[in-house]
Amino acid sequence: AQTVTQSQPEMSVQEAETVTLSCTYDTSENNYYLFWYKQPPSRQMILVIRQEAYKQQNATENRFSVNFQKAAKSFSLKISDSQLGDTAMYFCAFMKHDGNQFYFGTGTSLTVIP
Amino acid sequence: DAGITQSPRHKVTETGTPVTLRCHQTENHRYMYWYRQDPGHGLRLIHYSYGVKDTDKGEVSDGYSVSRSKTEDFLLTLESATSSQTSVYFCAISERLETQYFGPGTRLLVL
Repeated sequence: AQTVTQSQPEMSVQEAETVTLSCTYDTSENNYYLFWYKQPPSRQMILVIRQEAYKQQNATENRFSVNFQKAAKSFSLKISDSQLGDTAMYFCAFMKHDGNQFYFGTGTSLTVIP
Repeated sequence: DAGITQSPRHKVTETGTPVTLRCHQTENHRYMYWYRQDPGHGLRLIHYSYGVKDTDKGEVSDGYSVSRSKTEDFLLTLESATSSQTSVYFCAISERLETQYFGPGTRLLVL
């Protein structure tokens, strides 16, 4: 079974600053996908960023980037220039390449302080 | 945003009653999923579908059944609701076995 661990239940960051959310996972697979989803107070699950394990280059989407360390099984999310709208729960998720199921971490609650 | 709707959005029911939640998509995606979200657990897969009439169990399938008679609709049924099934239920869709897009969620309270 795959497990995803988010060791930071809550974090806060000042507006315009940078914050990094941690995620580690356990798998024996070589090919897989990793995701970060954002869940604001509206409860909608929104895809933030996606990484394919066979790609060495770290994914970026505007202010969001990841630090993917395959050997260490680590997948952290960096949010630059934090904005008030970034306040949300952030979930890390894992999926095998030929799989049909997401495995989610328990989430990190991020608060951006004005 | 992917065209996914869930109905109802909120429901209160009593223990022992049947409940059906509906997920409707307009994207013609092949795969559909039902998750539940509980504090301290993140999202956990209940059932998924890989085509019309093709479904399989997920991690927490006990007490739930599903049906998919059309590409666009995926129904989740609680045959006899229990208080442990109080949760927020999310539907998700995907075209391939990778990125999933989520519906707005259904909050279910079983008294």
